[in-house]
Amino acid sequence: SQTIHQWPATLVQPVGSPLSLECTVEGTSNPNLYWYRQAAGRGLQLLFYSVGIGQISSEVPQNLSASRPQDRQFILSSKKLLLSDSGFYLCAWSVDNTIYFGEGSWLTVV
Amino acid sequence: AQTVTQSQPEMSVQEAETVTLSCTYDTSESDYYLFWYKQPPSRQMILVIRQEAYKQQNATENRFSVNFQKAAKSFSLKISDSQLGDAAMYFCAYYVEGSNYKLTFGKGTLLTVNP
Repeated sequence: SQTIHQWPATLVQPVGSPLSLECTVEGTSNPNLYWYRQAAGRGLQLLFYSVGIGQISSEVPQNLSASRPQDRQFILSSKKLLLSDSGFYLCAWSVDNTIYFGEGSWLTVV
Repeated sequence: AQTVTQSQPEMSVQEAETVTLSCTYDTSESDYYLFWYKQPPSRQMILVIRQEAYKQQNATENRFSVNFQKAAKSFSLKISDSQLGDAAMYFCAYYVEGSNYKLTFGKGTLLTVNP
């Protein structure tokens, strides 16, 4: 069966430190992959999506970047975190015209 | 711009009763997919139900069903025989065919189930 894993689940980072959130999909090949962010009390905002290795599309300008070094691996990064980067980050993938989400990662920037 | 409006920030229902959550959306496209997701306190986003816009028949999944009115751009979720485990934030979302499955979300409705 197809599954998606996301880690770490919780992260507390100081302002100015780097970030790396990782997402891995199992049980499929060449999936579309997505990074969403959910700020407190809000719906989800699409940050990045990828249709293949090395192919990244950014939806909003910001302090974050994404990379897809392998077919089933999607990484969200930052060189220097800002307080405004705090939030709940969700990796997602699409299959059969449906989008499924990972467990999410809580990021608190202090 | 594509938008999704959930006009009820909060709703409550008695256990075993029925509740309907509202959602309207705005798109000029004709081919799209609509979704309801549930986000419990664990924060994981769980798919509840999906509706293809080209299908006239309303989707159902056990106790969950939708009322899809394409002309009115309305997509409401009905939960029958509500259970305590249904308590969560519910999000309406859709993507347009050919958009690489990029979802547009509403701001959510917080559902409380009273015992």
